[in-house]
Amino acid sequence: ETGVTQSPTHLIKTRGQQVTLRCSSQSGHNTVSWYQQALGQGPQFIFQYYREEENGRGNFPPRFSGLQFPNYSSELNVNALELDDSALYLCASSLKTSGPPGELFFGEGSRLTVL
Amino acid sequence: ILNVEQSPQSLHVQEGDSTNFTCGFPSSNFYALHWYRWETAKSPEALFVMTLNGDEKKKGRISATLNTKEGYSYLYIKGSQPEDSATYLCAHPTDSWGKLQFGAGTQVVVTP
Repeated sequence: ETGVTQSPTHLIKTRGQQVTLRCSSQSGHNTVSWYQQALGQGPQFIFQYYREEENGRGNFPPRFSGLQFPNYSSELNVNALELDDSALYLCASSLKTSGPPGELFFGEGSRLTVL
Repeated sequence: ILNVEQSPQSLHVQEGDSTNFTCGFPSSNFYALHWYRWETAKSPEALFVMTLNGDEKKKGRISATLNTKEGYSYLYIKGSQPEDSATYLCAHPTDSWGKLQFGAGTQVVVTP
């Protein structure tokens, strides 16, 4: 068990709707990152949060937004859903230290289908 | 190389055979190289985090090597077993915070 849990596991939305995906980080981790995996591709970095502040963002539009809470749980919100947003969304937690970037601990993902 | 490139895209291996596959990554501003194993319907799990040129890591029958100067890493599976069937992802952090740039993965199918 990685200790990272995500909900919901599957959901279906229609174009234009909004969605919120949730993640509970592994205990003791202070950093959470979100990735999108489209079919046939590797996971793409969306953004990262550290101590409730956004700490970097990938090539995703502003309608992708997030939150990190004091208990290090996190949300990914996507507004105005488009068909291309259909993907597996992965949450990963880690502990930021002074050393090289350590391994990420992933959840099993939330599968979003946009119709 | 600007992106992370993995080859081949997929491999079919007979049980008991050994196999290997590659990951190419940008060699500038190197922080680390990660390998993850991702079984269907599960979460990706870290196999190795490699940081030093010439590093060689081993976990059971799986091992990996790293060449940071030329920007490649090899993953080896010795004596493949059906439970080795998975997608193997490599990724390199684009900064010290560990924001990962992933390759598309190598899907390994081991048949009895």
